[in-house]
Amino acid sequence: QQQVKQSPQSLIVQKGGISIINCAYENTAFDYFPWYQQFPGKGPALLIAIRPDVSEKKEGRFTISFNKSAKQFSLHIMDSQPGDSATYFCAASLQTGANNLFFGTGTRLTVIP
Amino acid sequence: DGGITQSPKYLFRKEGQNVTLSCEQNLNHDAMYWYRQDPGQGLRLIYYSQIVNDFQKGDIAEGYSVSREKKESFPLTVTSAQKNPTAFYLCASSLPGVYGYTFGSGTRLTVV
Repeated sequence: QQQVKQSPQSLIVQKGGISIINCAYENTAFDYFPWYQQFPGKGPALLIAIRPDVSEKKEGRFTISFNKSAKQFSLHIMDSQPGDSATYFCAASLQTGANNLFFGTGTRLTVIP
Repeated sequence: DGGITQSPKYLFRKEGQNVTLSCEQNLNHDAMYWYRQDPGQGLRLIYYSQIVNDFQKGDIAEGYSVSREKKESFPLTVTSAQKNPTAFYLCASSLPGVYGYTFGSGTRLTVV
């Protein structure tokens, strides 16, 4: 059973536009929600993360919006650039133990010049 | 610099052969993981290990084996029993109680 559901599977955005990727979860015990960015042929790297006690976190052009009551969170990429073209994974984590990070299925973002 | 090193970056295997993928970390992380990624697909967990000399199967362990003799090392063997081994393999590590995983740069395995 997929612990974290992610959509869309792929996304094409014009340069300068806003990219939005959505994720949803069921387990209310999750208490950390990271986003990973993966370029072709590379491993995923942590991009930005949020805890459920805040509704929004912004780092440069990247913003996470978090809706605890709806159990949803999303990544917004403002002023999208061709260099942002990558696969993005949302994830949800439990604090304790190992194997405690559950990934979404990924979104392939293509930013067209 | 601390990190995870996966080697080789590219690996070619003939059908019927076993191959071993290397994963070494100098982050002093306790837990290590192996994931498989197929083109355009998400991350599927193969095996993970919380401590030395202990490991657990993930979602797609059939046809794979691992060992954890040292904290720093978690090699993955792709056996001949794995029917479709061509994929991108990612190793990761984490500290219990600390959020998030650190990933290596991956090994691309191709069956020829």
